[in-house]
Amino acid sequence: QLQLQESGPGLVKPSETLSLTCTVSGGYISSSNYYWGWVRQPPGKGLEWFGSIYYSGTTNYNPSLKSRVTISVDTSKNQFSLKLSSVTAADTAVYYCARGPLYSSGWVEPFDYWGQGTLVTVSS
Amino acid sequence: EIVLTQSPGTLSLSPGERATLSCRASQRVSTTYFAWYQQKPGQAPRLLIYGASSRATGIPDRFSGSGSGTDFTLTISRLEPEDFAFYYCHQYGSSPWTFGQGARVEIK
Repeated sequence: QLQLQESGPGLVKPSETLSLTCTVSGGYISSSNYYWGWVRQPPGKGLEWFGSIYYSGTTNYNPSLKSRVTISVDTSKNQFSLKLSSVTAADTAVYYCARGPLYSSGWVEPFDYWGQGTLVTVSS
Repeated sequence: EIVLTQSPGTLSLSPGERATLSCRASQRVSTTYFAWYQQKPGQAPRLLIYGASSRATGIPDRFSGSGSGTDFTLTISRLEPEDFAFYYCHQYGSSPWTFGQGARVEIK
């Protein structure tokens, strides 16, 4: 059974960099059949897609966040990570990591497995 | 960016009733890349429908999706107690991938 688990600081100071890691168990992050990504949800609000990374290392970022976001993969640890720089209070949210199916044709399906989410608060 | 607008914002129904949730896109969305999620408080979203009308693994057949172009619908044929939750539509065919603002199905 595939499981994803987010980890990282629950509190980050304004202007600093938020760093989160997603550890994948029950599956291989290097598989060409899947892609991986991050979604966040501010308290009481809706969902926002950050970006996705494919087994090749190719990334696709949300343009509204692109200048501040880096998503990377560490296949040796079966993990992928999110870095968000210059955070403000508006970045306070529950951050989810997720997996989606990828087909050789390039066709994708939406995220089908999600981590439980981790709350990150930006405050001094 | 494709903006997804869900209506109604809140649907108040009784168990056993039919729920119909709508999602309108600001631009045409390929049915291949349209989905619906369910989310309960404190939980991650759960994929219900992908490709506009295909049920995800393990999703009961009382959930169905339809639509094309800019108008999509999620129908729950007979509400079970566990179906009272938030629902989000989602397009993943055009970057940035976007979600609707959410719709709540509450017990009347």
